[in-house]
Order: sequence, then C-alpha cells, then structure tokens
Amino acid sequence: EAGVAQSPRYKIIEKRQSVAFWCNPISGHATLYWYQQILGQGPKLLIQFQNNGVVDDSQLPKDRFSAERLKGVDSTLKIQPAKLEDSAVYLCASSKNRGNTGELFFGEGSRLTVL
Amino acid sequence: GIQVEQSPPDLILQEGANSTLRCNFSDSVNNLQWFHQNPWGQLINLFYIPSGTKQNGRLSATTVATERYSLLYISSSQTTDSGVYFCAVPFTGGFKTIFGAGTRLFVKA
Repeated sequence: EAGVAQSPRYKIIEKRQSVAFWCNPISGHATLYWYQQILGQGPKLLIQFQNNGVVDDSQLPKDRFSAERLKGVDSTLKIQPAKLEDSAVYLCASSKNRGNTGELFFGEGSRLTVL
Repeated sequence: GIQVEQSPPDLILQEGANSTLRCNFSDSVNNLQWFHQNPWGQLINLFYIPSGTKQNGRLSATTVATERYSLLYISSSQTTDSGVYFCAVPFTGGFKTIFGAGTRLFVKA
C-alpha cells in the first residue's frame, strides 16, 4: 500500500513570494491533515479535511494560508505572501476514520525556507 | 485548555540502556499514538494505543486513559533509536489531534 505522498520535498523562496505544497493521501482515507512543524517543536495542526469539507481550520493564518481538497482526494496548501516565520516543515497526514478517531499516517514533509 | 506534556524533554543514553518516556494529557481521549521522528524528519508510527499495553520488539507502550498518561519503553537502546519521540492525542468532543513537544533521545555508541 502506497503511503502519503508530498511534494516538493524542499523549497526555498524569498519573503513575500508564494508557494504551494501538494499532498496525496493513502487511498481510501477520508480524513486529511496539514501540520506545520517549526524546528524544535511538535507538529501543529493547520487544517483538517473530512472528505472535501473542512472540519477544523482554527489555527490556519487565513490572511496568507489557504488549502483545498478537491474531490476528497489530493490536497494543496498555499502560502501567499510568505513571511520569514513560515519557515518550517509542512507535514501532510491521512487517516481512514472520520473525525479524530483513526490512526494517522504521515508523509515525508515539505521543508520550506523563507529568506 | 487542552494540554499534552512529554517528559523528559531530553535524554542521553549509553547504547544498551533502557528508558521510559512519558506522555501526560489533560482530558479524555479517543486514542493515542507514539511516533519516532528520525533525523530526516520522517514521522514513523510506533504505536496506536488508546488503552492497555502493546509490544513491538524492543519497544512497548502502555496507556492508562483513566489516569491520563501513556508510557513508551525502550529496552536495549541502539544508536538508531536516536531522534525525537512524540505522542499525539486526539481529544474526545473535538476534531483536533494535539502533539506533545517531544522527547529528544540521543543514544551514544
């Protein structure tokens, strides 16, 4: 069974530029998560989708971050314009169950450096 | 508010030693996961353990949900065990899964 796929693995941009990350969850998984992990900290949930609907985006900085999950499968996370403090690893995870009752599986992450 | 606390924050072991990592949480939970984040940043699933005890080789985990804690045991540690260990806790009554700050483990050869 293929795992969670993410791209790109690494991205370097200058502040005020834009960037997009892509995630393909494990086939059949209903719930998809985007987490932000700043160096030295634990992952922080940005947004959670159940199928193609948002169930939690309370910690997503909506003035600059956006995310969508078209057709309930792939998802993209966009940052525009980027700030220095957005430098982090962006982790995508998926789980089979709805809500927060299922086991999470993570991709390898997308490491963003904002200069 | 909802809290997940891990201890110790940092741990240095000699190869072959045993260790216990702890995760305390502040409210009722649906389940609990332990992850190992390797030096390349990949989060590796170790245990999915809402309650009871599970074992996988040199690692085992115990969750006592009624007392709001979980323990991860590492026996006969190896240098490849180095990295950061996270517990992740999805709280009942909400959708959010919250991570602890992690325990950073270094195993010396």
